[in-house]
Amino acid sequence: GAGVSQSPSNKVTEKGKDVELRCDPISGHTALYWYRQSLGQGLEFLIYFQGNSAPDKSGLPSDRFSAERTGGSVSTLTIQRTQQEDSAVYLCASSLDLGSAFFGQGTRLTVV
Amino acid sequence: SQKIEQNSEALNIQEGKTATLTCNYTNYSPAYLQWYRQDPGRGPVFLLLIRENEKEKRKERLKVTFDTTLKQSLFHITASQPADSATYLCALNDYKLSFGAGTTVTVRA
Repeated sequence: GAGVSQSPSNKVTEKGKDVELRCDPISGHTALYWYRQSLGQGLEFLIYFQGNSAPDKSGLPSDRFSAERTGGSVSTLTIQRTQQEDSAVYLCASSLDLGSAFFGQGTRLTVV
Repeated sequence: SQKIEQNSEALNIQEGKTATLTCNYTNYSPAYLQWYRQDPGRGPVFLLLIRENEKEKRKERLKVTFDTTLKQSLFHITASQPADSATYLCALNDYKLSFGAGTTVTVRA
């Protein structure tokens, strides 16, 4: 596609429920990144994919968070048993190797 | 891992003046250093990339310098305009893309 697409754009969920966030990167981009941004804060690195493999999962906050990328394209970030502190904007970006990254508009997650 | 520090959280300047933002990093110099702009409620937008063997890069009213000895990049917005008001983020490529906390620039008319 023309840009990085994320869905849903907004998600309100009850505490304890599981959520799935989707990222559709720019076609041909090998690198894919997930970040989290709380209100007024900077970008918190979560995970990085190069192709389908994730060489760096160090940013995932807990074992409730997991991510996968299939076919070197679409990625899904899953949060199990959501907590209120998970509320944030989740941003996805893609790039060609180490070049400039293009971001989606984010998914605003609210856990109530 | 790299620690990235950007100068003061907020910078207020008068329209027409030059804004200068600083990005300092620890450890090794990355292959690339990048600058992004983020507006409220939106994802960051790429502005400029500078390689470790480049000293300076320009794009319209923007200028970036990269000093691997000082482990520092400077980002300049010349002839600033109110539309330049945003948060500016420094990012380093090592094997992943890591961001500084950002500097919020407000340009007064």
